[in-house]
Amino acid sequence: AQKITQTQPGMFVQEKEAVTLDCTYDTSDQSYGLFWYKQPSSGEMIFLIYQGSYDEQNATEGRYSLNFQKARKSANLVISASQLGDSAMYFCAMRADNYGQNFVFGPGTRLSVLP
Amino acid sequence: GAGVSQSPRYKVAKRGQDVALRCDPISGHVSLFWYQQALGQGPEFLTYFQNEAQLDKSGLPSDRFFAERPEGSVSTLKIQRTQQEDSAVYLCASSPRDSSYEQYFGPGTRLTVT
Repeated sequence: AQKITQTQPGMFVQEKEAVTLDCTYDTSDQSYGLFWYKQPSSGEMIFLIYQGSYDEQNATEGRYSLNFQKARKSANLVISASQLGDSAMYFCAMRADNYGQNFVFGPGTRLSVLP
Repeated sequence: GAGVSQSPRYKVAKRGQDVALRCDPISGHVSLFWYQQALGQGPEFLTYFQNEAQLDKSGLPSDRFFAERPEGSVSTLKIQRTQQEDSAVYLCASSPRDSSYEQYFGPGTRLTVT
């Protein structure tokens, strides 16, 4: 079975500082993808970043980077230079090739950026 | 281009009523997914279509839930005899290929059962 764990229900960060949102996962599959989504209060899930299990380099997308530690089954999201608009729910998700097409999501972390 | 749209955005139903939730995926997208998101939780998979074929319905919580995509584009999630525990946001996502890591989500339908 697949499982995503996000141990931080809520996080605060000062504007312009960096923040790390934790994500650990459990799967027996060798080929899988890891994702981070942002969900603002409007409800729409916004794709942020993707890491493949065979990618040797950590993924980066603008201010977002994914700290992928395969042996520890960890895929933490790092947001640099936080902005007020970054305040939202953040979900870590996984799709494993041998477990069908659906994503398995974690419970989420609510990030609040303070001015 | 247009993204995934869902309607209605909000639905209030009395317990025991039937509801139908609509999803318009991005044009040409092969795959379509439905998720249920309870308050304060992450989305949970309900069902998956590849074109008009429902290939996985393992996440549907009971036989009161039914989904269809008859022409391989628009999809409808139907819930019969709604219960209070059905109250949630129902998210639809589409993907351009049958085996793709890209999923584009709609804004969701918030269902409240009173």
